[in-house]
Order: sequence, then C-alpha cells, then structure tokens
Amino acid sequence: GESVGLHLPTLSVQEGDNSIINCAYSNSASDYFIWYKQESGKGPQFIIDIRSNMDKRQGQRVTVLLNKTVKHLSLQIAATQPGDSAVYFCAENMNYGGATNKLIFGTGTLLAVQP
Amino acid sequence: DAEITQSPRHKITETGRQVTLACHQTWNHNNMFWYRQDLGHGLRLIHYSYGVQDTNKGEVSDGYSVSRSNTEDLPLTLESAASSQTSVYFCASSERRIGVRPIETQYFGPGTRLLVL
Repeated sequence: GESVGLHLPTLSVQEGDNSIINCAYSNSASDYFIWYKQESGKGPQFIIDIRSNMDKRQGQRVTVLLNKTVKHLSLQIAATQPGDSAVYFCAENMNYGGATNKLIFGTGTLLAVQP
Repeated sequence: DAEITQSPRHKITETGRQVTLACHQTWNHNNMFWYRQDLGHGLRLIHYSYGVQDTNKGEVSDGYSVSRSNTEDLPLTLESAASSQTSVYFCASSERRIGVRPIETQYFGPGTRLLVL
C-alpha cells in the first residue's frame, strides 16, 4: 500500500491552460538552477536553466522565474499539452569553490494534463 | 548522436550477491555521476567522478563502489546487495568547464530498475 508522506505534489490542469510549477530551494549561495522533466520509466530530461544573476528566462513554451529574495523558483508552461504530463523537478547548483559543483534535486511535482 | 546508456534496464537479484550496473557515455564528458531515485527522496547522489582514476563519495555511498578506468564508463557495483538497495538508478554526465563560475548541466541516462529479493 501507499505510505503517508510519500505522495508527490500533483498539479492537475486542462489541456491548453498554462501551468505553473513551484520550487523552493535551500541555499542562498546557489548560483545556477535547472528544471528537469521526467516521464514515466525514463531518465530526467533537461528543460531549461537559469543563472542567479537573472530573474527570468524564456524557452520554447516554458519560462523560468527566479526570486532570490525568497529562494523560490517557478516553471511556467504555456498552452499545456498531454505530452507535458510528467514529474518536474528543480535542481540547484551549489558551488563549493574552485571547480567543484553539486546539483541538489527537489522531490518533484507531478503534472497531470486532462484532455 | 552522442548519448548516455545504462545496462541492464531491469535487474532482479538476491540479497548478498554482487551486482554491477553499467553506464556508458559518448559525449566525452569528464564528469559522471550515479544517483538513486526513491519515492519521497528525489535523486540522491551515490558516487561521482571528475575524470579518469578519480572517484568520490556522495551522500548515500555505503554499500556501493565505482571505478573510472576510461572517460566513457563509470560502472556502479553493489558489493553485497541488500533489500534497501532496491531502487531506480540513474547515471548522469556533464562537461567539465573551467572558469570563474563553472556551470555544468547534467544529462541523464534512461535508468536501471533494480529489485533485491
């Protein structure tokens, strides 16, 4: 059976609507952020990234917004399509100085697109 | 096209057996990583490597080992498989960039689903 506390947050949207997926990150020193999309049975797929010196970046149908004041990241998907159904998670790049970097991943949000 | 592959895609083994999961990338990336993904935990770093002969422990390295004898491969070994190691394992790689603030996006393989009975 399912265990309490292990459910992924779920965002359910109608096809054609805009989706907004949110992420809170932990380290104010993180300098780079990535959004990944993971479809069932597949590996995470890079969607879009943003550096900490920016507050907005746009891609094809996707926009990432960064609010460093409250350590918040959001992914906006325009005109959501059934193929957008997946788990989306953010990752923050923590720079430990020099050439050492590590990505810290969030647990993800399940986007369910209703036809 | 360059890519990252993992094998096997599915594996069932018994407690106590040694298991090796393969990861191969053709991007010529210096950096390679192994993660495990479990519901409620997201991706957790097991081991990583910044180049040939370099290996480092991640946050959940106990019971796992890696070796890096060439650029393309980073096999992950479970020395004595335990039921707690039932998980989905992902390999990733990134290009090493030298700079004031190196940014290294990681690209993931398709995953290996491991069941330890």
